[in-house]
Amino acid sequence: ETGVTQSPTHLIKTRGQQVTLRCSSQSGHNTVSWYQQALGQGPQFIFQYYREEENGRGNFPPRFSGLQFPNYSSELNVNALELDDSALYLCASSLDSGGNVFGPGTRLLVL
Amino acid sequence: GENVEQHPSTLSVQEGDSAVIKCTYSDSASNYFPWYKQELGKRPQLIIDIRSNVGEKKDQRIAVTLNKTAKHFSLHITETQPEDSAVYFCAAHLGGADGLTFGKGTHLIIQP
Repeated sequence: ETGVTQSPTHLIKTRGQQVTLRCSSQSGHNTVSWYQQALGQGPQFIFQYYREEENGRGNFPPRFSGLQFPNYSSELNVNALELDDSALYLCASSLDSGGNVFGPGTRLLVL
Repeated sequence: GENVEQHPSTLSVQEGDSAVIKCTYSDSASNYFPWYKQELGKRPQLIIDIRSNVGEKKDQRIAVTLNKTAKHFSLHITETQPEDSAVYFCAAHLGGADGLTFGKGTHLIIQP
């Protein structure tokens, strides 16, 4: 069984740039969610993908977008980066409404 | 939307003692309550979860209790060990396509 993997592990961008983060789901999982975890805080739900469609979204603006591919891997895209976007971005996969398994995260720093 | 409050923010206990972390949630429709352990620089790891049709669940030294009427749930760790030191997060899930709503975390420190 393969766990959730994410790439890259770390990333530095400047304000206004765009970034793409990637995630491979755990084998057998069909749902992927993305979370943003600011330093010292709990993860915050960005959105969820199921069968390649976004089917749930938290309180994040449209410049946060995503994709899910037929093999259940996923991307998170953030446009027009702001300083406050600096955080750990976590991908989580699950099977239907089962427990979420988190990836190691991508630490994004926006300068 | 759902709101989860978690207390305390920091908990220091002597090795071998018990630790209790408490969470409350706002939406009575929430039906799934996982607990995650996150060590410094690592991913959150699911340690135990409970669904709304169950009042208590135990796994070795870890137990979770749920009071649906009061809308609160608690994590109990007995016989604490140094490796239990970490940040613990509770979460609530409304189900379907809603994501998990997390508490702000409890930094558990096990004193030798």
